[in-house]
Amino acid sequence: GAVVSQHPSWVICKSGTSVKIECRSLDFQATTMFWYRQFPKQSLMLMATSNEGSKATYEQGVEKDKFLINHASLTLSTLTVTSAHPEDSSFYICSAREGSPTGELFFGEGSRLTVL
Amino acid sequence: LAKTTQPISMDSYEGQEVNITCSHNNIATNDYITWYQQFPSQGPRFIIQGYKTKVTNEVASLFIPADRKSSTLSLPRVSLSDTAVYYCLVGLHKLIFGAGTRLAVHP
Repeated sequence: GAVVSQHPSWVICKSGTSVKIECRSLDFQATTMFWYRQFPKQSLMLMATSNEGSKATYEQGVEKDKFLINHASLTLSTLTVTSAHPEDSSFYICSAREGSPTGELFFGEGSRLTVL
Repeated sequence: LAKTTQPISMDSYEGQEVNITCSHNNIATNDYITWYQQFPSQGPRFIIQGYKTKVTNEVASLFIPADRKSSTLSLPRVSLSDTAVYYCLVGLHKLIFGAGTRLAVHP
């Protein structure tokens, strides 16, 4: 089946630095990818919809200048957490849909960010 | 986007059948119903998807009544490895996660 891969799987950074997380669709093209974040013992919260070749669409309450999303190709979307702070520590998960809008949504393995 | 309601947690024993029901009263005509499984520190994994009636695959069955205002995920003969959080999602393009059901399977 289709695979979505994230890198890095975990990262630790100092407060104030920026961190980039990559999301790749390995064997299919994804015009749209989704970014979620998940805090411990909580559900996934949709952050934004990443559209290839255009600006991302952010959910209400998500700071677009804080969480920069770039979807430069049909197989790669990146999420950059800028000027990270401890409260940004979370599990970030991307997903991509193969084929039609009703096709299966595949999720990456997740990237755990810890900001010290 | 349709909101979903599921039991917060469920307990079962190995070998039993587990049924998790999800309510989605304001489901739209074009919405599909999809169930995902998530283990700690992993991304969700697709289990099954349906639009109406019954869908079955190698791991689960999904029962959807005619009014589509609810759905039931059925896991036959669960094992310890089925201990996970199960999410019911309703939508067509953008999927919003509800709280999910934390299933604990005991020996």
